[in-house]
Amino acid sequence: DAGVIQSPRHEVTEMGQEVTLRCKPISGHNSLFWYRQTMMRGLELLIYFNNNVPIDDSGMPEDRFSAKMPNASFSTLKIQPSEPRDSAVYFCASSLLAGGQETQYFGPGTRLLVL
Amino acid sequence: EDKVVQSPLSLVVHEGDTVTLNCSYEVTNFRSLLWYKQEKKAPTFLFMLTSSGIEKKSGRLSSILDKKELFSILNITATQTGDSAIYLCAVDLLYNTDKLIFGTGTRLQVFP
Repeated sequence: DAGVIQSPRHEVTEMGQEVTLRCKPISGHNSLFWYRQTMMRGLELLIYFNNNVPIDDSGMPEDRFSAKMPNASFSTLKIQPSEPRDSAVYFCASSLLAGGQETQYFGPGTRLLVL
Repeated sequence: EDKVVQSPLSLVVHEGDTVTLNCSYEVTNFRSLLWYKQEKKAPTFLFMLTSSGIEKKSGRLSSILDKKELFSILNITATQTGDSAIYLCAVDLLYNTDKLIFGTGTRLQVFP
């Protein structure tokens, strides 16, 4: 199994530009999570999906952030327009929610730097 | 508000030392507590704890949960430089479809 796949691995962009982060969850998993990690705030949950439906987006910082999951094998996190304070590592994780206690598996992350 | 607090924030030790990392939580509808290790990249799963007093062990790492006092500890014996990482504690809640609440982590550095 390839695990959770994220792209790009690194991105450097100028403020005001649109940023799109991509995630492919582990095949068969039905929950997908987007996290942001910074030194100051640690690992924060932004949004998560179950069966492609957004369940909780209370962690999304503001309207500049949006996430979609058009199918079970793909999700995007978009920032438009980007700002320097969005610089962070963005992780995608997936799990199989099956009525028990499931483990989330993390992708390698996308390191974003907004200048 | 649900929260997970880890201590210490940072720890520097020499190889061979034993360390104890702490995680306390205040949440409604606790289901389980998880420990992750994060090196340079993504967090990787270590343990899931659901019952009090039952130790989970993997090599030199072990962890236990106290649901009465609302905390967990992660022990690492005979530390090695490869143990250097951020150790994250997270709590999984009932009725919340798999959402995890993470602590800010403990950064462990092991020097030779």
